[in-house]
Formats: sequence, structure tokens, C-alpha cells
Amino acid sequence: DSGVTQTPKHLITATGQRVTLRCSPRSGDLSVYWYQQSLDQGLQFLIQYYNGEERAKGNILERFSAQQFPDLHSELNLSSLELGDSALYFCASSDAGRVSTQYFGPGTRLTVL
Amino acid sequence: AQTVTQSQPEMSVQEAETVTLSCTYDTSESDYYLFWYKQPPSRQMILVIRQEAYKQQNATENRFSVNFQKAAKSFSLKISDSQLGDAAMYFCAYRSGQGGSEKLVFGKGTKLTVNP
Repeated sequence: DSGVTQTPKHLITATGQRVTLRCSPRSGDLSVYWYQQSLDQGLQFLIQYYNGEERAKGNILERFSAQQFPDLHSELNLSSLELGDSALYFCASSDAGRVSTQYFGPGTRLTVL
Repeated sequence: AQTVTQSQPEMSVQEAETVTLSCTYDTSESDYYLFWYKQPPSRQMILVIRQEAYKQQNATENRFSVNFQKAAKSFSLKISDSQLGDAAMYFCAYRSGQGGSEKLVFGKGTKLTVNP
């Protein structure tokens, strides 16, 4: 157990809908990262938050957004869902150290029908 | 942009034997970190081992060790005394050591099968 929790584990929804994925980082970790894993794109970095502020953005679609709250948990919002958004979404967290290592949550499996 | 290449989509090994998974990367940076993550059928991403580029000594974690060749930009993972529980996808990942983004850049993975 990495100490990173994600809810829900599975999510099935329809095209055009909006969903919210939730992540709680390890105790003491200030950074949260979101990654998408799909068969065609592999593991791709979406976005990073550090202590409530956006720190880096990757290949995140405009239909996707995220935020990190004062208690350091994070939410990833996916809207106007398309079939191609079906993927495994991982949250990871790390401490603020220079040699920080990212620890991953169990992931949320999103299926868009 | 940095890239990570894992040239072996699949590998197999006999139980108790040794196997080496290959990884190469491309970067113009001198300060960076390299990782191997394991993803078993449960889909959980599990850190296996980490290497800091400024360290010449190869990292070791129990049965797992790396061969880090900085000049060649190569970072292979050796698994000794392979066990059935080692069967998984293995991903090589790169992280910049410079300020700013700490994102991980992943290779496409190598699927390891362990035969009894």
C-alpha cells in the first residue's frame, strides 16, 4: 500500500457526461500528479499541483481540469467525455524534497460508453 | 523533450533465473533521475528502484539492480533469482532534476513472464 488513495476504483459513464476523480496523497506529501494510462498513448503526465498551486501541465485536454484543496487532496474533472477518454487514471504524490519519488495510488478505471 | 525507449515489448524468464530489461533515454540534461516501476495485473504502479544520475554507483534493492551507463544513456534492470510474483509490466521512467516540472516520462513498458 503506497498510502495514496483514489476514489472511485471504477467509473462507467456515457459520452458527453462529466466525472470527478478524487485523490488523497500520502501524509505529508505536498505534490500531487495526475497521469493517464491508455493502450494507445501509454502512461502520460497530465498535471501537477504543489501545495494548492498548479506547478506543471502536460498533455491535458481543455475538457479536463484539476485542483488541489487546502487539505491537499486533489480532484481531476473530466467533462464532455468521449470514448477515447476511457483509460486508467493514476494519482501520485511526493514530498517536497529535491530527490522526491512519486508514489502511485491504485488508479481509477474510467469506461466511457 | 526527453524520451524513454524500452525496446523489448515482452520478455520471459525461468523461475530462479536472471533476466535483464533494457531502457535507453534521450536528454540534454546532466541532472536527472531514473526509475523502474512495476505494474502487476492488479494495475498498481509500484516503485522498484531509483537511480540519481550524479551517482556513479549502481542502485540495488534486494534482487533488483540496475546497470546505469550515463554516457550511453542506458538504464537496464536486472532481476536475479526471478520469482513468480515478479511477473508484471515494467516501466522505465525519467525525471528531470532541474527546477520546474517533476513529471515522469515513461517508456512503453516490457511485459515480463516468469515460467515455473
